[in-house]
Amino acid sequence: SYELTQPPSVSVSPGQTARITCSADAFPKEYAYWYQQKAGQAPVLLIYKDIERPSGIPKRFSGSSSGTTVTLTIDGVQPEDEADYYCQSADNSATYGVFGGGTKLTVL
Amino acid sequence: EVQLVESGGGLVQPGGSLRLSCAASGLTLSRYSMHWVRQAPGKGLVWVSRINSDGSTTVYADSVRGRFTISRDNAENTLYLQMNSLRVEDTAVYYCVRHCTYGVCYADWGQGTLVTVSS
Repeated sequence: SYELTQPPSVSVSPGQTARITCSADAFPKEYAYWYQQKAGQAPVLLIYKDIERPSGIPKRFSGSSSGTTVTLTIDGVQPEDEADYYCQSADNSATYGVFGGGTKLTVL
Repeated sequence: EVQLVESGGGLVQPGGSLRLSCAASGLTLSRYSMHWVRQAPGKGLVWVSRINSDGSTTVYADSVRGRFTISRDNAENTLYLQMNSLRVEDTAVYYCVRHCTYGVCYADWGQGTLVTVSS
């Protein structure tokens, strides 16, 4: 199965753009998904199938894909966006999810 | 509104057993595959097990295969995880999660239940 690599931390000031990358170590790459987990809470699905946003997720969250790297972009970061962010893809048989190690977003 | 409510966590000694439950409301559980995902304290998310919609197929992570059993009661809208031969490294918050309809992802999460394995 894949290994997904994320930077451990990203820091931005309010109103700036945050970009969190997730790199797969092998082809083919399945779709990627992103989750936000605030302190003490369960994760929430932010992005599915690389670029799609579930209903209720603010438009400032977007996803993109290039080769075996996907990126979560948060435009106009707000203080409440401070959280851990996890990318996830599927195993080779599309049976279960494989998670990246997570990225802690700090809003300065 | 979909709600997944886990219960059954607690403190158990190494080698002991626990049974987690996940009660679902706001959805018909029988329509979905379900998973358990865990998170050790201060660590990341790790998939544990999956069961298909009618309970006929189950899959486990290598780390729990042979010790954990996932099951479901669709009539009761409830998912279970029987955990035997527990190890210290099984200590984690265990989340009940609904499989997405549009891919291998996790659409809805419970609030989690903490399992602590310690002597």
